[in-house]
Amino acid sequence: EVQLLESGGGLVQPGGSLRLSCAASGFTFNIAAMAWVRQAPGKGLEWVSEILRSDGPTYYADSVKGRFTISRDNSKKTLYLQMNSLRVEDTALYYCAAVTSPLMGGSVWHLGRDLYFIFWGQGTLVTVSS
Amino acid sequence: DIQMTQSPSSVSASVGDRVTITCRASQDISTWLGWYQQKPGKAPELLMYAASRLQSGVPSRFSGSGSGTDFTLTINGLQPEDFATYYCQQANSFPQTFGQGTKLEIK
Repeated sequence: EVQLLESGGGLVQPGGSLRLSCAASGFTFNIAAMAWVRQAPGKGLEWVSEILRSDGPTYYADSVKGRFTISRDNSKKTLYLQMNSLRVEDTALYYCAAVTSPLMGGSVWHLGRDLYFIFWGQGTLVTVSS
Repeated sequence: DIQMTQSPSSVSASVGDRVTITCRASQDISTWLGWYQQKPGKAPELLMYAASRLQSGVPSRFSGSGSGTDFTLTINGLQPEDFATYYCQQANSFPQTFGQGTKLEIK
């Protein structure tokens, strides 16, 4: 059974930091990529960050670039998101997602092409408020 | 960044109806498009990839079409479990972007 179990969310003041974790099981962690996608309360989905297979390149939304860092520990099958300088607008449910590439293989991943979110966790809530 | 615009934002339909949701990209993305279904309090699920390919396990009443900038998701013969919010996602380039969502409600 595929499982993605996020943890580390909570209430933090503006300017504070949090580290999210996502423990994966039930599928090969050597999938195309792993990602974080967030959803503000009552809003739509927003892609946050992605890390390609193994210790591949990392990518960030402009809204978090320079403040968030994505990383992975392949031996522990765990994905992380270090979030610094948090803002009120970062308040959201943060989903961990496994990313598949059904058609093209690795040649176009660096472009962000043929990458789809195939497995999702249940999310961890981050609330930034004073 | 590529902007994704869905229409309508919400739609009401009855069990057994046929529903079509549209997604428009701000630039040509070929067929690099996915569709997701999200039910209240749940994580999204991948329905379709590459615009028209059905993800394993997804019922055949779901179908997708389109290329370039205009795409559609069609549900034939709505079932009670289909009432949810649907998102498109462009898979052409970073940053991967989603449409704002279409909420499918029971009439």
